[in-house]
Amino acid sequence: ILNVEQSPQSLHVQEGDSTNFTCSFPSSNFYALHWYRWETAKSPEALFVMTLNGDEKKKGRISATLNTKEGYSYLYIKGSQPEDSATYLCALRKKTSYDKVIFGPGTSLSVIP
Amino acid sequence: DAGVIQSPRHEVTEMGQEVTLRCKPISGHNSLFWYRQTMMRGLELLIYFNNNVPIDDSGMPEDRFSAKMPNASFSTLKIQPSEPRDSAVYFCASSQKRDPGGRPYEQYFGPGTRLTVT
Repeated sequence: ILNVEQSPQSLHVQEGDSTNFTCSFPSSNFYALHWYRWETAKSPEALFVMTLNGDEKKKGRISATLNTKEGYSYLYIKGSQPEDSATYLCALRKKTSYDKVIFGPGTSLSVIP
Repeated sequence: DAGVIQSPRHEVTEMGQEVTLRCKPISGHNSLFWYRQTMMRGLELLIYFNNNVPIDDSGMPEDRFSAKMPNASFSTLKIQPSEPRDSAVYFCASSQKRDPGGRPYEQYFGPGTRLTVT
């Protein structure tokens, strides 16, 4: 993997369903991974920053895990609500240029009431 | 704090005109980033500054684009001359460098400037 990839590209779920999506990144030269939530017509909002292999973060119904050895992170949303509808971006920082944040293309989530 | 402030929020201009986008980072943040969002390329980093100094401008598309940060509370992104393909939403973000544990801080994004070049 040369770039930060996210899957699926888009997702439609029913209110109350739990869901998850994936961020894949080059495992070499890893420094940190960020997750952002981006609502339409707004600006990206930080959810989590993770640096250690095995890190798990939680904020309300949203949680994330990190595997730096295999180069992936999962974002989970438990009991999706319509207000969770947004694009979820992951962003990678590498050791050699940790200020340079490389964003993935995002996963667009729509929660149907 | 009012957050990252960008102006204007919307800009419509004709091809060939000069465009200047402005950003005021959050007070106390020492890193500032300019991003461009397009349908084709998503969110791409154009340039970033640490302590007002440009560190990496490899994302700047071409010589028509320039960015400055004359002081810790102000930055500009200028396009001269503008072209229709420059139409996009331009975001400015700021952050502190690292927390006491050495982890990087998250970036705080401004509301963006929607640029349309006709």
